Amino acid sequence: DSGVTQTPKHLITATGQRVTLRCSPRSGDLSVYWYQQSLDQGLQFLIHYYNGEERAKGNILERFSAQQFPDLHSELNLSSLELGDSALYFCASSVDEGTYGYTFGSGTRLTVV
Amino acid sequence: TQLLEQSPQFLSIQEGENLTVYCNSSSVFSSLQWYRQEPGEGPVLLVTVVTGGEVKKLKRLTFQFGDARKDSSLHITAAQPGDTGLYLCAGYPNNAGNMLTFGGGTRLMVKP
Repeated sequence: DSGVTQTPKHLITATGQRVTLRCSPRSGDLSVYWYQQSLDQGLQFLIHYYNGEERAKGNILERFSAQQFPDLHSELNLSSLELGDSALYFCASSVDEGTYGYTFGSGTRLTVV
Repeated sequence: TQLLEQSPQFLSIQEGENLTVYCNSSSVFSSLQWYRQEPGEGPVLLVTVVTGGEVKKLKRLTFQFGDARKDSSLHITAAQPGDTGLYLCAGYPNNAGNMLTFGGGTRLMVKP
C-alpha cells in the first residue's frame, strides 16, 4: 500500500457519459498529480495541484477537469466520454512539488463502451 | 517523438544475466527519476539522480546520470524473476516547469 488511495479501481461506462475519479494523497503530501496511461501513449501528464491551487497543466482535454479540496483529496472529472478515453488513470502525490519523486496510487481503469 | 527515449523497448533475458537500459534526450534535465511498474499497479519510485555524472546503487541496480544531464542508464546485475516489470525514466526538462515527463518505458522479462 503506497498510501495514495484511488477509487474506484475499475469503471465501465458508455460513450457520452460523465465520471468522477477520486484520489486521497499520502498523509502529509500537499501535491497531487493526475496522469493518463494508455498502451500507445504511455504515461501522459494531465494536471498538478499544490495545496488546493492548480500549478501545471499538461495535455488535458477541455472535457476533463480536476480540483483539489481543502482536505487535499482530489477529483478528476471526465465528461462526454469517448472510446479513446479508455485508459488507466493514475493519481500521484508528493510532499513538495515533486523534485525527488512521486508516490503513485494503484490507478483507476476506465473502460468506455 | 517522446522527449525521453528509452531503449530497448522490450527485453527478455534469463535469470542471472546482466542488462542495461537507457534513457536519452536532446534536452537537459534538472533531475531524472527511475520507476518500476508491475501490471495493475502504479509506478514505484526507485531512485532520483540530480547531479551530472552521479552514480547511485540500490542493491543489484546501478543508476547513472550523464555528465550533460541529458541521459541516464540503469544497469541490473544478476537479474532475477522479481525484476520483471516496466522500467520508466522521468524528468523535469529545464524549460517545462512542473511537468514530470515520462519516457515510453522498457518492458523487462526475466525468465527463471
